[in-house]
Amino acid sequence: EIVLTQSPGTLSLSPGERATLSCRASQSLSSSYLAWYQQKPGQAPRLLIYGASSRATGIPDRFSGSGSGTDFTLTISRLEPEDFAMYYCQLYERSLPFTFGPGTKVDIK
Amino acid sequence: EVQLVESGGGLVQPGGSLRLSCAVSGFTFSSFWMSWVRQAPGKGLEWVANINRDGSEKYYVDSVKGRFTISRDNPRNSLYLQMNSLRAEDTAVYYCVRELVVGPAEYFHHWGQGTLVTVSS
Repeated sequence: EIVLTQSPGTLSLSPGERATLSCRASQSLSSSYLAWYQQKPGQAPRLLIYGASSRATGIPDRFSGSGSGTDFTLTISRLEPEDFAMYYCQLYERSLPFTFGPGTKVDIK
Repeated sequence: EVQLVESGGGLVQPGGSLRLSCAVSGFTFSSFWMSWVRQAPGKGLEWVANINRDGSEKYYVDSVKGRFTISRDNPRNSLYLQMNSLRAEDTAVYYCVRELVVGPAEYFHHWGQGTLVTVSS
């Protein structure tokens, strides 16, 4: 079983700053089938990034994803007020098949 | 516009049953894999089950196997989750989700607003 760990648990930043969120897998992944989701309180999650680095439709280009193997990163280049939210990574593996990380909360400093 | 609207949630006693429905519009339902994803109060996300385009393939998380059944009615543009032998740990918001399939991988693209299931005596 592959476990996803997200760090930090909480990231306190100011609008305009750069956010770097980490998602680490307990085993090296044979493929980069990793996604990132944003969830605001009382709302459903929204797909941001899939395939580790592809932005979903309508996602601003300040959001970018990278990584491979065991380490993946979501970067928000300049935080907008609407970006303060919870972020989850999700792995797809044919044998599992879906695993979510515990989440990183980005809040206003 | 893609829309997914869940219904059927509510309060049920342990051991009871509930059937969730998801009415979809704005896309060709029969062309997409669909999933149910849940979120316990104050907790993270957990995939529950998914179903292929024609309903011939169904997959479940281990904790609900034998208790939950996912199904779909393509002419009615509807997805269902029959939940039996409910436990307190099944308490969660249940989301209906349209998947995005990219090569062999699947992701959760469009989400409904969710329906709350509370299992309690």
